[in-house]
Amino acid sequence: GDSVTQMEGPVTLSEEAFLTINCTYTATGYPSLFWYVQYPGEGLQLLLKATKADDKGSNKGFEATYRKETTSFHLEKGSVQVSDSAVYFCALSGTGGFKTIFGAGTRLFVKA
Amino acid sequence: EAQVTQNPRYLITVTGKKLTVTCSQNMNHEYMSWYRQDPGLGLRQIYYSMNVEVTDKGDVPEGYKVSRKEKRNFPLILESPSPNQTSLYFCASSLLGSDTEAFFGQGTRLTVV
Repeated sequence: GDSVTQMEGPVTLSEEAFLTINCTYTATGYPSLFWYVQYPGEGLQLLLKATKADDKGSNKGFEATYRKETTSFHLEKGSVQVSDSAVYFCALSGTGGFKTIFGAGTRLFVKA
Repeated sequence: EAQVTQNPRYLITVTGKKLTVTCSQNMNHEYMSWYRQDPGLGLRQIYYSMNVEVTDKGDVPEGYKVSRKEKRNFPLILESPSPNQTSLYFCASSLLGSDTEAFFGQGTRLTVV
């Protein structure tokens, strides 16, 4: 079945460091891909998305490119801030009904 | 303000005592679903609904029930809770479509002792 695999955390970075969180997927067909972020004590909220191959989603300095050839959707940010500390979920949908399939989540800690 | 509202936020209960977690959305979304979040497992779908009176099982439906009598509400019912249902629960809603954003409630942390 369809699945999403993302790098295990936690990831600990210093402020202004470069961030990469790896995400790969297995899916039949052509899914839409998402990154959601969960701040402490809150629900998930959409960070960015891409709906077809080679699309780049971007928001709040984060970006991710839909790579069909490597079935990947890695999240990057050039300079992280303490306020970026959260759990990040990679997800896909559109391969079977309207269900969204989530990865296990990667916790990011950013130190001042 | 567009939102998904869950209640309660925190609940401690005893094994076997029936409980209901409510979920309501104000965005007129057709699709609603319940997830549980457990460490290392991410979010797993419990049940979902594509419209009023249309519900179906997700990946981990055992021990749960849902109903969708109105478009805005999608309560999660645990008829006889057990300790393995201790978890963080999220309700989500979205428009029908493969590239649409899901909106999540703030979560309900349930402890069954």
